[in-house]
Amino acid sequence: AQTVTQSQPEMSVQEAETVTLSCTYDTSENNYYLFWYKQPPSRQMILVIRQEAYKQQNATENRFSVNFQKAAKSFSLKISDSQLGDTAMYFCAFKYNFNKFYFGSGTKLNVKP
Amino acid sequence: GAVVSQHPSWVICKSGTSVKIECRSLDFQATTMFWYRQFPKQSLMLMATSNEGSKATYEQGVEKDKFLINHASLTLSTLTVTSAHPEDSSFYICSDVAGGRDEQFFGPGTRLTVL
Repeated sequence: AQTVTQSQPEMSVQEAETVTLSCTYDTSENNYYLFWYKQPPSRQMILVIRQEAYKQQNATENRFSVNFQKAAKSFSLKISDSQLGDTAMYFCAFKYNFNKFYFGSGTKLNVKP
Repeated sequence: GAVVSQHPSWVICKSGTSVKIECRSLDFQATTMFWYRQFPKQSLMLMATSNEGSKATYEQGVEKDKFLINHASLTLSTLTVTSAHPEDSSFYICSDVAGGRDEQFFGPGTRLTVL
């Protein structure tokens, strides 16, 4: 069975600072995909960043980057220069086949002015 | 990215009635769509995988006779909550997978309140 664990229910960060959200997963699969999704108060799920497990290079999308440690089964999200609009729930997700996603429990991020 | 719409965005119904939620893939044909349920301050729970032209695949613990899914066309999947009860009150989200890509695109969700 695949599991995704987010151990930080809630985090806060000052505007313009950097914050890291943790995610670990458990799987016996070798080829899979990892994602971070953002769910703002509107509740619309938005893709933040994705990582293919076969790629060693960490994915980066503007202010968002990941630290993917395959052996440790860790997939953390770093948000640099935090903005007020980054306030949201962040979900880590895992997918390996049949397009079935497994989501973590989420981390609520509050960006303070 | 792909655009997914849901209708209605919110609905209030009486206990015992049935409610239909529509999920549309607006800019490409989706052979597979997903239905999730999300309780307040919780994660998304996959309910079922909707397959165009065939029966939906339900996750363990989800009553298929309670949550009827129909995927009659490549752009539309519907979720019908039959004989709704207050415990069915939740936020329901659908998604699809763009062909050739790995990410899911989510609809804006439907808030169901059963009185």
